[in-house]
Amino acid sequence: DADVTQTPRNRITKTGKRIMLECSQTKGHDRMYWYRQDPGLGLRLIYYSFDVKDINKGEISDGYSVSRQAQAKFSLSLESAIPNQTALYFCATQLALEGEQFFGPGTRLTVL
Amino acid sequence: QKEVEQNSGPLSVPEGAIASLNCTYSDRGSQSFFWYRQYSGKSPELIMFIYSNGDKEDGRFTAQLNKASQYVSLLIRDSQPSDSATYLCAVYSSASKIIFGSGTRLSIRP
Repeated sequence: DADVTQTPRNRITKTGKRIMLECSQTKGHDRMYWYRQDPGLGLRLIYYSFDVKDINKGEISDGYSVSRQAQAKFSLSLESAIPNQTALYFCATQLALEGEQFFGPGTRLTVL
Repeated sequence: QKEVEQNSGPLSVPEGAIASLNCTYSDRGSQSFFWYRQYSGKSPELIMFIYSNGDKEDGRFTAQLNKASQYVSLLIRDSQPSDSATYLCAVYSSASKIIFGSGTRLSIRP
């Protein structure tokens, strides 16, 4: 089955560490997204990419960076992790603008 | 005012009854509206989308859209315990930017 995968699924790290979350997809979709989810705040968009050469900031990009290595791969980096970046992170793909988004299983990140 | 607002719940509904979930949005130019279901600890999955005013039915689910009043709702008929989840409303703004509500937690009691 065409799928969206995320690694790692869980990660505990310390303040100041650099960490990378990876997303891979076999759906063949050009559009990819990174969200974070916090209790009571829903999903908030961090970065999105419409193709390999197109990277855009979302509403909460400060403290994060991304890399679109290929159509199938979109990585999110925290250059210097801080405790308020503790959250559940989701990657999503999309075939068409304003169409359905397909979410990966999520990465639970804890920054101590 | 939040761009997409939902009552956080929890909304408790007896098994077999109709669950009604509501969502309001602020951008009058929004064109596309989605309902995602998210089980605890899992990723969101799409259950309904609607683009036009009126009702759209799919099995036990009905989405209702009223652009004049800027609200979209989801009705779940014959509620089952497996419907217990958080339901996220998502709206594409006039700038084609997707905005998620914070979700309504639904609990179906046997």
